[in-house]
Amino acid sequence: NAGVTQTPKFRILKIGQSMTLQCTQDMNHNYMYWYRQDPGMGLKLIYYSVGAGITDKGEVPNGYNVSRSTTEDFPLRLELAAPSQTSVYFCASTNRDPTHRYNSPLHFGNGTRLTVT
Amino acid sequence: DAKTTQPPSMDCAEGRAANLPCNHSTISGNEYVYWYRQIHSQGPQYIIHGLKNNETNEMASLIITEDRKSSTLILPHATLRDTAVYYCIVNAGNMLTFGGGTRLMVKP
Repeated sequence: NAGVTQTPKFRILKIGQSMTLQCTQDMNHNYMYWYRQDPGMGLKLIYYSVGAGITDKGEVPNGYNVSRSTTEDFPLRLELAAPSQTSVYFCASTNRDPTHRYNSPLHFGNGTRLTVT
Repeated sequence: DAKTTQPPSMDCAEGRAANLPCNHSTISGNEYVYWYRQIHSQGPQYIIHGLKNNETNEMASLIITEDRKSSTLILPHATLRDTAVYYCIVNAGNMLTFGGGTRLMVKP
């Protein structure tokens, strides 16, 4: 298993450009998450999905969009890039039975380092 | 979902035990405690989790107080490679959120 794969690893965007950060997992996990991490700070939840076709906002969703058309893929879209979106973006996945309070551990990708200038 | 409080930073001598505390005073009865660590700028890595009882695995031990309002992650013999940011999260809902974590520096 490759686990959680994120592409690209690095990207530089100009202000106002758009891009899609790709995330795919091969573990058949139902839950997927997008986090951002600013330098020296903790992780902030952007969006999450509990299954194909279902997405919901996290702590910092403004400026981003997501979709979940398949179990494997959870792309994150930036429509109008701003310098405030310079960050490292992590995708994560887990398997969870919503009838139980236990979440199996999160598996993280290696991140996408985005700079907006 | 319960929130957590951790000290922002700690030092530990190589070979000694590192004890990382976490306060989660608003934890509800069926919420688990999870610990992750993030080495440099890699993706966070799962360490251990627990509900009520103390837990141990090949990486660490987790001690949860009887009232479940706090816990301690123990790295029994810290090495330089254990230098990382350690996150304690308590969250049984769909939104898995992280706090600021504790930056552990293991020194020779």
